[in-house]
Amino acid sequence: DQQVKQNSPSLSVQEGRISILNCDYTNSMFDYFLWYKKYPAEGPTFLISISSIKDKNEDGRFTVFLNKSAKHLSLHIVPSQPGDSAVYFCAASAKKGAQKLVFGQGTRLTINP
Amino acid sequence: DAGITQSPRHKVTETGTPVTLRCHQTENHRYMYWYRQDPGHGLRLIHYSYGVKDTDKGEVSDGYSVSRSKTEDFLLTLESATSSQTSVYFCAISDPGLAGYEQYFGPGTRLTVT
Repeated sequence: DQQVKQNSPSLSVQEGRISILNCDYTNSMFDYFLWYKKYPAEGPTFLISISSIKDKNEDGRFTVFLNKSAKHLSLHIVPSQPGDSAVYFCAASAKKGAQKLVFGQGTRLTINP
Repeated sequence: DAGITQSPRHKVTETGTPVTLRCHQTENHRYMYWYRQDPGHGLRLIHYSYGVKDTDKGEVSDGYSVSRSKTEDFLLTLESATSSQTSVYFCAISDPGLAGYEQYFGPGTRLTVT
């Protein structure tokens, strides 16, 4: 039972354009959502997060949108840069105390020059 | 970067042998986690700890045990390694004092069971 799903295994975007990565979830108890970025042979690094009381959070070139009614979140990267090429994971948490995260399968983003 | 190290970084072992992976942190964070990453599955939680000697199971805990005798160290043990435990293992840390739920990850250990 995959509670967090990233249905696109890969995405290719031209440099300078917008990258949009999508994530769906099924558990209505999730109240916090995060995006992580991962380069090969490294651990995931935290990128941006959003609480369920908000519908948008922005940090520089990265914006996360949350649509609670659709149980859908997306990460927008504008403008896309070659260094953004990586695997992106969305994650969700339902209990702040234990802070356990449930991850999606990941989307490999490739930025083409 | 968060002060998290994992050892060893790479290990090849035979089926049936015991294996222990170590995670060490210098951040004094309360929570520590072990995940495994496999193609098509993302990261899945194996076990986590919410304090010294306090641990609990995650999503894929069968075949694994953990111990935390000091705040800074979290050990993951495969009592009898199987080929299905070939994976990349990541340790993570977090703290209730953080504004969000962010976890910070170590560099990973690639384990191959032959």
